[in-house]
Amino acid sequence: DAGVIQSPRHEVTEMGQEVTLRCKPISGHNSLFWYRQTMMRGLELLIYFNNNVPIDDSGMPEDRFSAKMPNASFSTLKIQPSEPRDSAVYFCASSQGGGAYGYTFGSGTRLTVV
Amino acid sequence: AQSVSQHNHHVILSEAASLELGCNYSYGGTVNLFWYVQYPGQHLQLLLKYFSGDPLVKGIKGFEAEFIKSKFSFNLRKPSVQWSDTAEYFCAVNSPLYNQGGKLIFGQGTELSVKP
Repeated sequence: DAGVIQSPRHEVTEMGQEVTLRCKPISGHNSLFWYRQTMMRGLELLIYFNNNVPIDDSGMPEDRFSAKMPNASFSTLKIQPSEPRDSAVYFCASSQGGGAYGYTFGSGTRLTVV
Repeated sequence: AQSVSQHNHHVILSEAASLELGCNYSYGGTVNLFWYVQYPGQHLQLLLKYFSGDPLVKGIKGFEAEFIKSKFSFNLRKPSVQWSDTAEYFCAVNSPLYNQGGKLIFGQGTELSVKP
């Protein structure tokens, strides 16, 4: 099993540019979660999907953030336009059975907005 | 509001010392409890989990945790730490009553530094 795969591993972009982060969950997992990690705020849940349907997006900071899960094997998190305060590590995680039994995390995308 | 608290922000120990990291949660009812570890520059990995049964749970790498329902606590322990245990440790809670869909709520994390 290749685990949860995120790309890119690192992204450096200029303020105002669009950024797209990608995630491939573990095959057979039906829940997918996007987290953001910063020194100041720790781990924040941005949005999660069950069976490709967004369940709770209350953690999405503002309209500049959007997430999609067009099928069971792919999800994107998009920031448009990006701002320096979006700089963080973004983790994707997946699980079976809604996440109540724990998650498997991807390696994360380190985003730097200059 | 429902929350998970890890009271120790940074713990510094010498090798072979015993470790206990505190975790308290404010959810009522049934909870599922987890400890994750994040080594420097890496992603979170599951150390151990508790769903039901024996409140003393054993995980990987010699870690264990005890669920004390009356104290709303799930403290992580290791009898003798090693330099390689240097990492950040996160407690997480899933409450079927409060968190639809199984989302985990994480504590703020505790950074552990082990001196060789």
